[in-house]
Amino acid sequence: QKEVEQNSGPLSVPEGAIASLNCTYSDRGSQSFFWYRQYSGKSPELIMFIYSNGDKEDGRFTAQLNKASQYVSLLIRDSQPSDSATYLCAGESSNYKLTFGKGTLLTVNP
Amino acid sequence: EAGVAQSPRYKIIEKRQSVAFWCNPISGHATLYWYQQILGQGPKLLIQFQNNGVVDDSQLPKDRFSAERLKGVDSTLKIQPAKLEDSAVYLCASSLDHNTGELFFGEGSRLTVL
Repeated sequence: QKEVEQNSGPLSVPEGAIASLNCTYSDRGSQSFFWYRQYSGKSPELIMFIYSNGDKEDGRFTAQLNKASQYVSLLIRDSQPSDSATYLCAGESSNYKLTFGKGTLLTVNP
Repeated sequence: EAGVAQSPRYKIIEKRQSVAFWCNPISGHATLYWYQQILGQGPKLLIQFQNNGVVDDSQLPKDRFSAERLKGVDSTLKIQPAKLEDSAVYLCASSLDHNTGELFFGEGSRLTVL
């Protein structure tokens, strides 16, 4: 069973802090990883993807991938209350199938 | 550009009844997905279509769930008969092609089975 595990949370950070969201995966054949944000009662929306080892930055968001450790993370700098949502990590297998984790609920307190 | 359209948004039925959900993907998107998201969990893929062919339905409970994609565009997902554990949000998503993890989700159809 190919699994994607996320730190269960909920995670609470003060406004302006760095939020760190973590994810591990079991399928060594996974090629790419995606972070989706899901606001309460809404559908998921893609915020970042990464397929190479190392860091990838996009504005306040940084995705990190370590294939040797089978570990993916998402850092949110200068967290804002509008970042409060559930963050879903998804791994893409060699046949392009996405497997989602359960998500981590992030709350940014003003 | 119009997004993924789904209907109905909400449905309440009793167990053993049937229900159908409809999805219209983004124009030009070849791949269409149906996901089931139970409260507090991540989306679970039920079925994936590439144009009007099924690519993956390994997690679809075929004794009660069925889906079709007419003419490679709209899709319907049917549950008959429904069970209590089918209470969930049914998310339709589409992508340009099958080899991308960039999915565009609809607003979802929330099913409550009593």
